[in-house]
Amino acid sequence: GQQLNQSPQSMFIQEGEDVSMNCTSSSIFNTWLWYKQDPGEGPVLLIALYKAGELTSNGRLTAQFGITRKDSFLNISASIPSDVGIYFCAGRWNSGNTPLVFGKGTRLSVIA
Amino acid sequence: NAGVTQTPKFRVLKTGQSMTLLCAQDMNHEYMYWYRQDPGMGLRLIHYSVGEGTTAKGEVPDGYNVSRLKKQNFLLGLESAAPSQTSVYFCASSAQTNTEAFFGQGTRLTVV
Repeated sequence: GQQLNQSPQSMFIQEGEDVSMNCTSSSIFNTWLWYKQDPGEGPVLLIALYKAGELTSNGRLTAQFGITRKDSFLNISASIPSDVGIYFCAGRWNSGNTPLVFGKGTRLSVIA
Repeated sequence: NAGVTQTPKFRVLKTGQSMTLLCAQDMNHEYMYWYRQDPGMGLRLIHYSVGEGTTAKGEVPDGYNVSRLKKQNFLLGLESAAPSQTSVYFCASSAQTNTEAFFGQGTRLTVV
């Protein structure tokens, strides 16, 4: 099946720093999604991307759909303690009934 | 606004016991999914459904069965639980033409 490589696996950063994480795929994807999971909760959608080159922001979060359609990145600016959690990329490599494929997640820790 | 509701939230089973996890969504979504989440493995798709009365295998279907008798419900069954099925299980749903998936709160299952 399709695979997503998400990096880094974990990050420790100081409060106020910017964060960047990315996802790459072996195939062309036509949808990229970024989710955040708080401890003990289900993943919650942060940003959805549907077009190659698309750059979308949600507050301090910015995500881009790579022009090759094989990658996406998520940036968090000026991190705060509540940014702690696991961030997942997800993608769909085909239209129709193909289910989403998830990366293994990036665990973010913010040191105050 | 309930969204996606999973029942139960926690369960401990003995090896060989059976159980059913219930997922209910009130968003009239066509697609429903069952994932399992294990440390370092991200979210892996067990089974999914593209509509009432249909089911399909995901990445890790062995040892699980599912049923989608009603559009709003998606059941995940374990016929004979094994310790390897100790995990956190997430249900999700999405609309047919919208790829954003909405997740439930998760079910933490321990098989001893």
